[in-house]
Amino acid sequence: NAGVMQNPRHLVRRRGQEARLRCSPMKGHSHVYWYRQLPEEGLKFMVYLQKENIIDESGMPKERFSAEFPKEGPSILRIQQVVRGDSAAYFCASSPQGAGTEAFFGQGTRLTVV
Amino acid sequence: DAKTTQPPSMDCAEGRAANLPCNHSTISGNEYVYWYRQIHSQGPQYIIHGLKNNETNEMASLIITEDRKSSTLILPHATLRDTAVYYCIVRTSYDKVIFGPGTSLSVIP
Repeated sequence: NAGVMQNPRHLVRRRGQEARLRCSPMKGHSHVYWYRQLPEEGLKFMVYLQKENIIDESGMPKERFSAEFPKEGPSILRIQQVVRGDSAAYFCASSPQGAGTEAFFGQGTRLTVV
Repeated sequence: DAKTTQPPSMDCAEGRAANLPCNHSTISGNEYVYWYRQIHSQGPQYIIHGLKNNETNEMASLIITEDRKSSTLILPHATLRDTAVYYCIVRTSYDKVIFGPGTSLSVIP
């Protein structure tokens, strides 16, 4: 049973380009969460999705950032017109439905904007 | 808006038990206590969780007080590889995981 898979592991983008980060949840998991960790800082919640629905996007920046979790395929975090301040590690987690379930994290995508 | 309070840092001698405390005085009846850790800049690793009973797995033990207002994560025989930031989190199974600053545990040779 593979864990949460994120790709790419490292991504370099020039200012103004788009960044697409992918997250494949664990098999059977229908909930996905995205987090951002700036250098030397803590993990900040961004968005919580279920299949085809955004449940909580209270941590998402109002502009340039979007997320989706389609019926088929991985969850995508999309950052348009990247700026240097977007350079960070982006982590995805997934969990199944049901009481008392744990969320498992991927190894992250490290985005560098040059 | 983490609902827990943890000491910012702790040291533990290699081979000894590491006891990491956590206060969660406002925990609700349907909220679980979860522990995660993050080693260097890797993805957070799930350790253990519980509702009101003590729990044990291959990694650690979780002791929850009877009033559920605090808990302790126990690593029975700490190794250098256990050096990490440990996060205590309270949530229902349907909530997002909110990380506080955690406890930075240093295991000393």
